[in-house]
Amino acid sequence: LAKTTQPISMDSYEGQEVNITCSHNNIATNDYITWYQQFPSQGPRFIIQGYKTKVTNEVASLFIPADRKSSTLSLPRVSLSDTAVYYCLVGDLNTGFQKLVFGTGTRLLVSP
Amino acid sequence: IAGITQAPTSQILAAGRRMTLRCTQDMRHNAMYWYRQDLGLGLRLIHYSNTAGTTGKGEVPDGYSVSRANTDDFPLTLASAVPSQTSVYFCASSDSLSGEQFFGPGTRLTVL
Repeated sequence: LAKTTQPISMDSYEGQEVNITCSHNNIATNDYITWYQQFPSQGPRFIIQGYKTKVTNEVASLFIPADRKSSTLSLPRVSLSDTAVYYCLVGDLNTGFQKLVFGTGTRLLVSP
Repeated sequence: IAGITQAPTSQILAAGRRMTLRCTQDMRHNAMYWYRQDLGLGLRLIHYSNTAGTTGKGEVPDGYSVSRANTDDFPLTLASAVPSQTSVYFCASSDSLSGEQFFGPGTRLTVL
């Protein structure tokens, strides 16, 4: 299973764009990159998933360079409610089943 | 119900006692998972099941057992609880198409 490395914490202010970068140097050919968000006392929630280049949905964008050894989660115009822990994970999606490895994540604090 | 439910919400248990944490999903997902999350840390996979009738060991399986008699239910049993099993336990499920994992609200277990 590919190991991921991401910053322990980040601080931001409301309305700013936040970019969280994750490194996964030993990502395998079949691995997808997935980001989850976790609020205190809740289970993680899926944010976005991608394989290469750029993926965008209604809450975030995911940028993946050609070598796929890193990825960046971009949160546009964050609000106080985006304060949470963000996890970057990689795993093989081909079977629809993933033995995901959650690291310690990035703790994002958004201030007024 | 919609999604994943877990029971109990919280439990205080004497060491040596047997305990079963319940997990039920109504999304007809093939795969189900059990994670534990210790204070301030990421989630660690205990056991998983990629389809009814089959189970597998995750990263930290010792002291835990699971069964998957049908698609909807995936109970986790602690045969003889120890204080190091004090944690928050999350159940999750995913389908065979997206691999996105949906998490339950968690069970907070304290073993004294």
